[in-house]
Amino acid sequence: GAGVSQTPSNKVTEKGKYVELRCDPISGHTALYWYRQSLGQGPEFLIYFQGTGAADDSGLPNDRFFAVRPEGSVSTLKIQRTERGDSAVYLCASSLQAGGNTGELFFGEGSRLTVL
Amino acid sequence: GEDVEQSLFLSVREGDSSVINCTYTDSSSTYLYWYKQEPGAGLQLLTYIFSNMDMKQDQRLTVLLNKKDKHLSLRIADTQTGDSAIYFCAENLYGGSQGNLIFGKGTKLSVKP
Repeated sequence: GAGVSQTPSNKVTEKGKYVELRCDPISGHTALYWYRQSLGQGPEFLIYFQGTGAADDSGLPNDRFFAVRPEGSVSTLKIQRTERGDSAVYLCASSLQAGGNTGELFFGEGSRLTVL
Repeated sequence: GEDVEQSLFLSVREGDSSVINCTYTDSSSTYLYWYKQEPGAGLQLLTYIFSNMDMKQDQRLTVLLNKKDKHLSLRIADTQTGDSAIYFCAENLYGGSQGNLIFGKGTKLSVKP
C-alpha cells in the first residue's frame, strides 16, 4: 500500500503477556519512528530508526520495551510482561532521509493495545 | 525541559474562523508543525513553519509564529464541519528528518452547523 501500515489494529492481552506490534513503512523511507498515545494525550516519542539501527531510543519507558528493524524496512515493537499502564495506541511513522527535509512524518493508523 | 501546551477544546460555528493556539518552551526548535487527527485515524500533517518565518499561508490555513514569545497559532478560515478533529501542535528540536517531535495534548475542535 501507499501509506504506513500497522498490524494488528487492535490487540487485547492479559497482564504479564508478551506482545509484538508490527509496522510497515512507506517504501523508500529510511527513517522509522514509534510513538505512544495514551487517552487524552498527544503522541509521546519512543524510538527512532535510521536504516537498521536505533538512532535514538531515549523514549522507551523501561527495559520491557524493545524494537527492531533488521532489514531497514519493517519494524517490530516488542513489549514483555505487559502491564495495564501499557494500554495505549502505538503509532508508527516514517519519513524520507534527504537533504533539506522538513522532518514531515507520515503516520500509520496505530495499533490499539489493551492490557486487562 | 521540553513542553508544548495547548488549550484542550474549541467550539466554533460553521463559516467562522477558528484560531488554535500553542506555546512551546524550547527556543532551539527548527520546525513547528500542526497535525490533524480525525476519529480512528492516524495523524495527518496539515502544515509546518520553519523557525525563521513569522507567517505561512496555505489556502484556508494561516500559521503565525512569535518566536520571542514561543507562541504558535493556526487559523482556519471559513471553518467547515469536516474540520472537526483534534489538532496537535508539535516542535522538532533537531531539524531535518530526525523526527523526535514533541507534541502537545491536542485541541479538540468542534464545528457546529
